[in-house]
Amino acid sequence: TQLLEQSPQFLSIQEGENLTVYCNSSSVFSSLQWYRQEPGEGPVLLVTVVTGGEVKKLKRLTFQFGDARKDSSLHITAAQPGDTGLYLCAGGPTDSNYQLIWGAGTKLIIKP
Amino acid sequence: ETGVTQSPTHLIKTRGQQVTLRCSSQSGHNTVSWYQQALGQGPQFIFQYYREEENGRGNFPPRFSGLQFPNYSSELNVNALELDDSALYLCASSSRYSRGQDTQYFGPGTRLTVL
Repeated sequence: TQLLEQSPQFLSIQEGENLTVYCNSSSVFSSLQWYRQEPGEGPVLLVTVVTGGEVKKLKRLTFQFGDARKDSSLHITAAQPGDTGLYLCAGGPTDSNYQLIWGAGTKLIIKP
Repeated sequence: ETGVTQSPTHLIKTRGQQVTLRCSSQSGHNTVSWYQQALGQGPQFIFQYYREEENGRGNFPPRFSGLQFPNYSSELNVNALELDDSALYLCASSSRYSRGQDTQYFGPGTRLTVL
């Protein structure tokens, strides 16, 4: 069974600080997606990475896929209160085109 | 272009009852996936429908069943409800015209409480 472990589970920091969230597995994934979910809403896709070592930037968010495609990280620079939310990673298994394997999420709170 | 919609928003049932949740996919999408998200957890894949047929299933018992209609909307049915079925049920639509992971667009979910 493929699993994705996210860390930390919970993070509360001051506005302006930097942070990194990790998504790790012992399994190889064909792709890795990062989502953000707000209370009462469904997850919203932020980025998809598919190539080992790939780095993608979305404004102050930087996403990296590990060289071996087993792990990923999300780095936020100068966090703002609007970044508050649940950040989820989801991996596409190499043997499936339809099922995503999800992490349990990192609950991020940015205090003004 | 309308997004993914789900109904109802909230639902309260008692143990042993049956429930039907509904999902309208985004315009142009032919694939619908259903997920269960327990409080404080990531979503768990229930099943996926592609062109009205079940295309894959996660580790859920047969009392979880579904349908997809010709207009690609979908239903999730759960029989003999148990307390552990209390969760947010998410529907995601995507467009499957080629191999590989499709971008899934999620609805707001239905919050089911089983008493």
